[in-house]
Amino acid sequence: GAVVSQHPSRVICKSGTSVKIECRSLDFQATTMFWYRQFPKQSLMLMATSNEGSKATYEQGVEKDKFLINHASLTLSTLTVTSAHPEDSSFYICSARGQGANTIYFGEGSWLTVV
Amino acid sequence: QQQVKQSPQSLIVQKGGISIINCAYENTAFDYFPWYQQFPGKGPALLIAIRPDVSEKKEGRFTISFNKSAKQFSLHIMDSQPGDSATYFCAASNGGGADGLTFGKGTHLIIQP
Repeated sequence: GAVVSQHPSRVICKSGTSVKIECRSLDFQATTMFWYRQFPKQSLMLMATSNEGSKATYEQGVEKDKFLINHASLTLSTLTVTSAHPEDSSFYICSARGQGANTIYFGEGSWLTVV
Repeated sequence: QQQVKQSPQSLIVQKGGISIINCAYENTAFDYFPWYQQFPGKGPALLIAIRPDVSEKKEGRFTISFNKSAKQFSLHIMDSQPGDSATYFCAASNGGGADGLTFGKGTHLIIQP
């Protein structure tokens, strides 16, 4: 089946620095990718939707200048957390949907810890 | 506004029993209703999904029942096994899955041997 890969799976960064998380669709072209955030023992919250070659659409309350999303190719989307703070520590998960497809596949997630 | 309400928050079922998790939605524009299984520290994995044109879908031990008029859908896990112990999320979206998913709060399921 379709596979979505995220990298890194775990990252620790210092407060004030930026960190990039990659999301790749391995065996299909993902025209749309979604980024979610999940705090421990809570549900997933949609942060933004990105379509290849266009600007991401952010959900209400998500700072677009802090969470930079780039969907430069049909197989890669990146989330960059800029000027990270401890409260940004969370589980970040991407998902992808292929063109004309009705199924959304999730990556394994990336744990971000800001110290 | 919570658009997808999920219950129960936690559930304990004996091995071999039926696990039932319920969800209700508010947005009548939703037209794609998937269920996801998530193990600790892992991303969610798609279990089964349904669209409003059918009332039931079965895949192996997993069945979705869908009631469009009541705006409710449920997941039934037959012959529940200890390996089914996980957190289950219902979700919904517009555009046949084209839009981002709105998730329920999750159900922590424990299957006792």
